[in-house]
Amino acid sequence: QKEVEQNSGPLSVPEGAIASLNCTYSDRGSQSFFWYRQYSGKSPELIMSIYSNGDKEDGRFTAQLNKASQYVSLLIRDSQPSDSATYLCALPHYGGSQGNLIFGKGTKLSVKP
Amino acid sequence: SAVISQKPSRDICQRGTSLTIQCQVDSQVTMMFWYRQQPGQSLTLIATANQGSEATYESGFVIDKFPISRPNLTFSTLTVSNMSPEDSSIYLCSVVLQGASYEQYFGPGTRLTVT
Repeated sequence: QKEVEQNSGPLSVPEGAIASLNCTYSDRGSQSFFWYRQYSGKSPELIMSIYSNGDKEDGRFTAQLNKASQYVSLLIRDSQPSDSATYLCALPHYGGSQGNLIFGKGTKLSVKP
Repeated sequence: SAVISQKPSRDICQRGTSLTIQCQVDSQVTMMFWYRQQPGQSLTLIATANQGSEATYESGFVIDKFPISRPNLTFSTLTVSNMSPEDSSIYLCSVVLQGASYEQYFGPGTRLTVT
């Protein structure tokens, strides 16, 4: 059974701090990883994808991937109240239909002004 | 990315009735999916909508309850049949764009309440 684990939170950080969101996965063969942001009452929005070990930066967001340890993380620098949302980690379900993603339960982030 | 629309955005329905949700994309896509998200929960895949053929359902979901159509590359419908209060949820369609492998983009969702 492929699994994606996330700490449900809530994770509370002060404005301007670095928020660190973590995700572990069970399928050692996973190659692609995605972070989605979901505001309350809205649909998930793809914010980062990462395919290689190491860091990938996009603005205030950095995704980090460590395949040997089977974890992927998302760092949000200079956190803003507008970053308050639930962050979902996802990776392909290789044993399922083509294109399927498995989603973690999500980590709720709260950025306090 | 693509512009994805869903209709209706929300509805309140009586138990025993059916509701059809539409998903329209403004560009051709390779894959279309239907998800359910119950309050406070993560996403659960209902099925993959296959163009011109029967949808591929995940464990726990059956065609009689959730019939799906995908007549072309940009449009799909999900019907929630014989509804009960347990079907109250947000229903989301998602797409994989041509040239992409797994990156999925979601529609705005349909919030369904069954009374």
